[in-house]
Amino acid sequence: GAVVSQHPSRVICKSGTSVKIECRSLDFQATTMFWYRQFPKQSLMLMATSNEGSKATYEQGVEKDKFLINHASLTLSTLTVTSAHPEDSSFYICSARDRPGYNSPLHFGNGTRLTVT
Amino acid sequence: EDQVTQSPEALRLQEGESSSLNCSYTVSGLRGLFWYRQDPGKGPEFLFTLYSAGEEKEKERLKATLTKKESFLHITAPKPEDSATYLCALSITGANSKLTFGKGITLSVRP
Repeated sequence: GAVVSQHPSRVICKSGTSVKIECRSLDFQATTMFWYRQFPKQSLMLMATSNEGSKATYEQGVEKDKFLINHASLTLSTLTVTSAHPEDSSFYICSARDRPGYNSPLHFGNGTRLTVT
Repeated sequence: EDQVTQSPEALRLQEGESSSLNCSYTVSGLRGLFWYRQDPGKGPEFLFTLYSAGEEKEKERLKATLTKKESFLHITAPKPEDSATYLCALSITGANSKLTFGKGITLSVRP
């Protein structure tokens, strides 16, 4: 149980274009999903908290207009990197809890490797 | 300031050579500490949650313990398939429902 699926696993795009990443909870409903970014040999950094039916909450320093988050249903959240630049190249990972409570573990997707050329 | 530090950064073991990975923290209020395993190019896989000092959890060759200042992940007689990066993460009072991650410890087990 508690499977989070992320698509695509890898994407290469040209500078200035936009890329959409999908995150789905396959066997549970998630009112909240979390988007993380991970640079090589670095920790996971929380970018934003995605809330079903409402606006996402962004961490300090994360540009809302650049990283658009939509959480239109209880099983799907999307992250769109707009006008991507090489410095946006990173590993993006989504996560969700399959049961409520701050102490329930997060379950992660397998990530999306974004390369901007 | 809330901090979580993992050490060592990297650890190389011979198959069968037991060792421990450390996660130390200074936080205002700890709700829970999580251990994850991450394989290259993959998302983290949940291992354990610890809630209070003195608590221990075990799974196969792994055993996690918690004190008021740190957590250890003990690996007994590791095998090459235990090679991965091990992350600890904290759920902190007042930080809503997000987790704060350490940088991870990369474990390599040689056959």
